[in-house]
Amino acid sequence: QQQVKQSPQSLIVQKGGISIINCAYENTAFDYFPWYQQFPGKGPALLIAIRPDVSEKKEGRFTISFNKSAKQFSLHIMDSQPGDSATYFCAAGTGSARQLTFGSGTQLTVLP
Amino acid sequence: NAGVTQTPKFQVLKTGQSMTLQCAQDMNHEYMSWYRQDPGMGLRLIHYSVGAGITDQGEVPNGYNVSRSTTEDFPLRLLSAAPSQTSVYFCASSYLGEDTQYFGPGTRLTVL
Repeated sequence: QQQVKQSPQSLIVQKGGISIINCAYENTAFDYFPWYQQFPGKGPALLIAIRPDVSEKKEGRFTISFNKSAKQFSLHIMDSQPGDSATYFCAAGTGSARQLTFGSGTQLTVLP
Repeated sequence: NAGVTQTPKFQVLKTGQSMTLQCAQDMNHEYMSWYRQDPGMGLRLIHYSVGAGITDQGEVPNGYNVSRSTTEDFPLRLLSAAPSQTSVYFCASSYLGEDTQYFGPGTRLTVL
């Protein structure tokens, strides 16, 4: 049972374009929604995260949009760069221990 | 400050063999966890611990054992390896009550 559904599976964007990755969740108990970035051969690293009390969070070129009623959230990467080429995972968590449920991942390729 | 370290980086086992994947962190984090990463399935939580002497099961615990005798170490044991356990294993840690989880570099395990 996949509680966090992520799309698309892969994404190719031109340099300078906008990359958009979407996630949907089912469990309304989730109260923490992070995005992780993973480069080949490395562990995931936290990119940006949001809590359900706000609808948007921006950090540099990265923005999370959150729609609580639709149970959806998305990652927007503005002015995408070749160095952004990586696999991106959305996740959802609950509780102080932050047991995360991950989406299936999106492989982003930014063409020069 | 080495962060989260994992050993070995690569391991090949035969079906039925046992082994221990090591995970250590030097950040005095209370929370530690193990995930496995399989293609198209994201990361799935195997076991987690909120402190020394306390462990609990995640989403996919079957075939794996853990213990937490110290704050720093959280080994994952495979008692009788099966081909279905071929995966990349990641250890993560964080402070309880804080959102950011730090992932190790991973162990790539192949079971023949």
